[in-house]
Amino acid sequence: DIQMTQSPSSLSASVGDRVTITCRASQGISNYLAWYQQKPGKVPKLLIYAASTLQSGVPSRFSGSGSGTDFTLTISSLQPEDVATYYCQKYNSAPPGFGPGTKVDIK
Amino acid sequence: QVQLVESGGGLVKPGGSLRLSCAASGFTFSDYYMSWIRQAPGKGLEWVSYISSSGSTIYYADSVKGRFTISRDNAKNSLYLQMNSLRAEDTAVYYCARDSPYGGNDYWGQGTLVTVSS
Repeated sequence: DIQMTQSPSSLSASVGDRVTITCRASQGISNYLAWYQQKPGKVPKLLIYAASTLQSGVPSRFSGSGSGTDFTLTISSLQPEDVATYYCQKYNSAPPGFGPGTKVDIK
Repeated sequence: QVQLVESGGGLVKPGGSLRLSCAASGFTFSDYYMSWIRQAPGKGLEWVSYISSSGSTIYYADSVKGRFTISRDNAKNSLYLQMNSLRAEDTAVYYCARDSPYGGNDYWGQGTLVTVSS
């Protein structure tokens, strides 16, 4: 099975900072990658699919890039409401595995 | 609006069984693949199983293969997960989620907690 890793596992940044999270697949997955946001005590929310396409209603400060094995999620200007754990998920083939998550909080 | 409502969670002893249900509304259920995804307390997301729109294609995570069975009833707009031979490590919140045709899971239920403990 293809393994998904994320880095860092956690980060702390100031409001307004640019934040970048990396996701890596153990084998190439083309652009079959999604990103999710899970706020504390809440249900996961789909942010991005196809590596870079923003889900409807997601603020434009979120963006995704990458293809093959290396992907990034960027928050261009961190807001207090962005405190959450972010997960990547590959879906090119079964099993559609998740990365371990990156916890983002405010410094 | 799309709604997914899970039920059937609870406390069960190791080796026991539970059947989870997910009632779907607000979309044409029979058009979509559906998934079960779980999250152990304080841990990350783990995909469990998915089923195609017709029910003809099913996959399971290795961790539940042979113990869990996913099924659906398109006439009742319902998704199910039969869980047998439960273990302590199956303790988690179980989410029902719709598979987007564009990628990822675009709608999630609120989850139902399954606790396996003696």
